[in-house]
Amino acid sequence: QKEVEQNSGPLSVPEGAIASLNCTYSDRGSQSFFWYRQYSGKSPELIMFIYSNGDKEDGRFTAQLNKASQYVSLLIRDSQPSDSATYLCAVHPFSGGYNKLIFGAGTRLAVHP
Amino acid sequence: EAGVTQFPSHSVIEKGQTVTLRCDPISGHDNLYWYRRVMGKEIKFLLHFVKESKQDESGMPNNRFLAERTGGTYSTLKVQPAELEDSGVYFCASSQGVRENSYNEQFFGPGTRLTVL
Repeated sequence: QKEVEQNSGPLSVPEGAIASLNCTYSDRGSQSFFWYRQYSGKSPELIMFIYSNGDKEDGRFTAQLNKASQYVSLLIRDSQPSDSATYLCAVHPFSGGYNKLIFGAGTRLAVHP
Repeated sequence: EAGVTQFPSHSVIEKGQTVTLRCDPISGHDNLYWYRRVMGKEIKFLLHFVKESKQDESGMPNNRFLAERTGGTYSTLKVQPAELEDSGVYFCASSQGVRENSYNEQFFGPGTRLTVL
């Protein structure tokens, strides 16, 4: 079992729709959870992080965390073609302190006009 | 403020040769990380420096990989001798000092694409 699992996609949504990206993790002691966006050939860029169960909203982005289900998601409202990228879910594992990140393989999002 | 920079952006070498990758973190960042993404796989942690000290090198695949951060500024990652399976994109990231019960964002560089033929 992979430590962090994501559907590879592509997830295709029309412009203006809500894109829902999901991630599960295996280490129940994981502390912190992150969503990075990576455009093709570019560096990963942090867009959201969440520590506590529940929802965290930042502009068009909402991160949701359910530690009991070991599940974290990212919602993108009013999706734009510029949101087309690979979204990486990452976790600080219990054993890693607040240092190393464990990444999922990423979900490719395509927003079409 | 300049971001994390990496050199070279691309490197193509033959199996058995040596390659050295360089990372310059954001100025003032004590923490420096190396990650690697091989084809079709997830980004994987290699190691973590705090200033010039190796804090965690649990992700280093074998002793063909040597990372240094002399003086606590830039870091190098040397692969000697390179093997075919070392091909991939090597990312460097940096962050400020780690605080307990908090998170210091890791800023990633653009990566070095290494191809071993």
